[in-house]
Amino acid sequence: KAGVTQTPRYLIKTRGQQVTLSCSPISGHRSVSWYQQTPGQGLQFLFEYFSETQRNKGNFPGRFSGRQFSNSRSEMNVSTLELGDSALYLCASSLLGALGEQYFGPGTRLTVT
Amino acid sequence: DAKTTQPNSMESNEEEPVHLPCNHSTISGTDYIHWYRQLPSQGPEYVIHGLTSNVNNRMASLAIAEDRKSSTLILHRATLRDAAVYYCILNQGAQKLVFGQGTRLTINP
Repeated sequence: KAGVTQTPRYLIKTRGQQVTLSCSPISGHRSVSWYQQTPGQGLQFLFEYFSETQRNKGNFPGRFSGRQFSNSRSEMNVSTLELGDSALYLCASSLLGALGEQYFGPGTRLTVT
Repeated sequence: DAKTTQPNSMESNEEEPVHLPCNHSTISGTDYIHWYRQLPSQGPEYVIHGLTSNVNNRMASLAIAEDRKSSTLILHRATLRDAAVYYCILNQGAQKLVFGQGTRLTINP
């Protein structure tokens, strides 16, 4: 079956702009998690959605938000971009959430200039 | 969040077994031990997870110490494709994975 897809794969934005990233989970998976990966901080959890409800949130400012649609597709939004938001944003889907096996997408590489 | 300790890097030879250690002395009784790996330019990939008993799957084996304060991921016969960063993670029931810095595994041909 098709894996987790993320769009776009690469994105360049200017400081102060906002950005929306999309994630399509594996068919049948209702849990979608988002992670940020940077060379300095490594992989950090942003939030997790299950059946359109946010179940857990990491320690990120309110500029980072997300949502999940009824078809389990998820979007994350970052407003008022800062240079430090440059990172690889990864989406993971699973049947049960982090307690089970999670399948990661290839990520969206965001560069903020 | 409970922490894990892993060596920064390890090196092994192709077709030899690899034992990747992980210490988690603050583990609690309900924490699952998860292993993921990340190949260059890819998202993390699930390897294996367990609670108390040793676990085997097609990719690897997970050996968990009796007191659960440490575990070892075993790759039985390493290939060049196994070169990656390996993350040992304690899952405390929250719907998130807390990644550490992981172990960078190099496989020599």
